[in-house]
Amino acid sequence: GDSVTQMEGPVTLSEEAFLTINCTYTATGYPSLFWYVQYPGEGLQLLLKATKADDKGSNKGFEATYRKETTSFHLEKGSVQVSDSAVYFCALVSGGNTPLVFGKGTRLSVIA
Amino acid sequence: NAGVMQNPRHLVRRRGQEARLRCSPMKGHSHVYWYRQLPEEGLKFMVYLQKENIIDESGMPKERFSAEFPKEGPSILRIQQVVRGDSAAYFCASSSGSSYNSPLHFGNGTRLTVT
Repeated sequence: GDSVTQMEGPVTLSEEAFLTINCTYTATGYPSLFWYVQYPGEGLQLLLKATKADDKGSNKGFEATYRKETTSFHLEKGSVQVSDSAVYFCALVSGGNTPLVFGKGTRLSVIA
Repeated sequence: NAGVMQNPRHLVRRRGQEARLRCSPMKGHSHVYWYRQLPEEGLKFMVYLQKENIIDESGMPKERFSAEFPKEGPSILRIQQVVRGDSAAYFCASSSGSSYNSPLHFGNGTRLTVT
């Protein structure tokens, strides 16, 4: 079945550091790929998405590129802020009525 | 401009009691998904419903758990005879179409504690 594997956290960075959170997937067909962010005590919010190979999703300084050849969708940000501290989830959906499948999440802590 | 509303935010039940979790989707959304999040784990899909229909319940435990999304009113996730292992955060999400074509909007969750 479909699955998503993310790098395990927690990840601790200093403010303005470069961020990479790795995500790889296994899926049938041509899935759409997503990154969601969860702030403490809240639900998940869509951060960015990509629906086909080589698409780049971007939002709030974060970006991720859909790489079909390596089945990856790594999340990057050039300069993190304390306010980026949250849990980040990589997810995919294969098509039709299949549900969104999530990775286990990666907790990011950014210190001033 | 209300988003997905879940209530209660926190629910405490003793073993053997029933838990009812409510979810009102965003206005205009007729697709509802329930997910469960255990501590330090990702979200696990439970059930996908459209108005009055269960589309996919492959993630629901076979016993004690049920879900509905009536024509009028919120979607309800019901857990009968709760056990300690049911303690988790339960999230509801809604969309205007299938999750392949329409983004999911999540509520803030219900945190169930079974004592």
